Amino acid sequence: ETGVTQSPTHLIKTRGQQVTLRCSSQSGHNTVSWYQQALGQGPQFIFQYYREEENGRGNFPPRFSGLQFPNYSSELNVNALELDDSALYLCASSYLDNPTGGGSLVYTQYFGPGTRLTVL
Amino acid sequence: QKEVEQDPGPLSVPEGAIVSLNCTYSNSAFQYFMWYRQYSRKGPELLMYTYSSGNKEDGRFTAQVDKSSKYISLFIRDSQPSDSATYLCAMMTFNKFYFGSGTKLNVKP
Repeated sequence: ETGVTQSPTHLIKTRGQQVTLRCSSQSGHNTVSWYQQALGQGPQFIFQYYREEENGRGNFPPRFSGLQFPNYSSELNVNALELDDSALYLCASSYLDNPTGGGSLVYTQYFGPGTRLTVL
Repeated sequence: QKEVEQDPGPLSVPEGAIVSLNCTYSNSAFQYFMWYRQYSRKGPELLMYTYSSGNKEDGRFTAQVDKSSKYISLFIRDSQPSDSATYLCAMMTFNKFYFGSGTKLNVKP
């Protein structure tokens, strides 16, 4: 086990609704990244938070937003759900020495089991 | 064109076979190269990483990077049924990870 937990495990929503997914980081980690993994695809980077600030974003629209809390747990919020948002959402916690130093990110990044979101 | 291309397979081999998994990429800015393994209903787990061209070995696994050809490989020796999983290549630059679509491997007893 990685020590990274996510809730809920599964979620079913309807188009247009809003959803909040939660992630609890591994102890000692200060960075969390969120990914979307569609069926049969690799994870796609949504955004990263370092010490409660957004520290990088992939090609996702603003209706995907996030928060990182002082205890380094995190939330992913998705507004105005679309059918194509159906996917496995993964969070990964890691440790960064500084916001631009990527080396430690590579070997300290641990993924949670994911939340399976279905949009009907 | 995707930044990282990976043959989705599936790949089916007998136990004990040598497995070769490959990815190509287009972005010269990629600094780190990784291989992840993902079992069904689990998150990816890091197998190996490297930041330079050449080979890196860890037990039955060897990662190979050729930056001039923008090509990376993972070799698995003496494959076991427990190696059956989806293997994802990934690359990183400026704290952003780019994953391939994954190759599903089945090792038959």
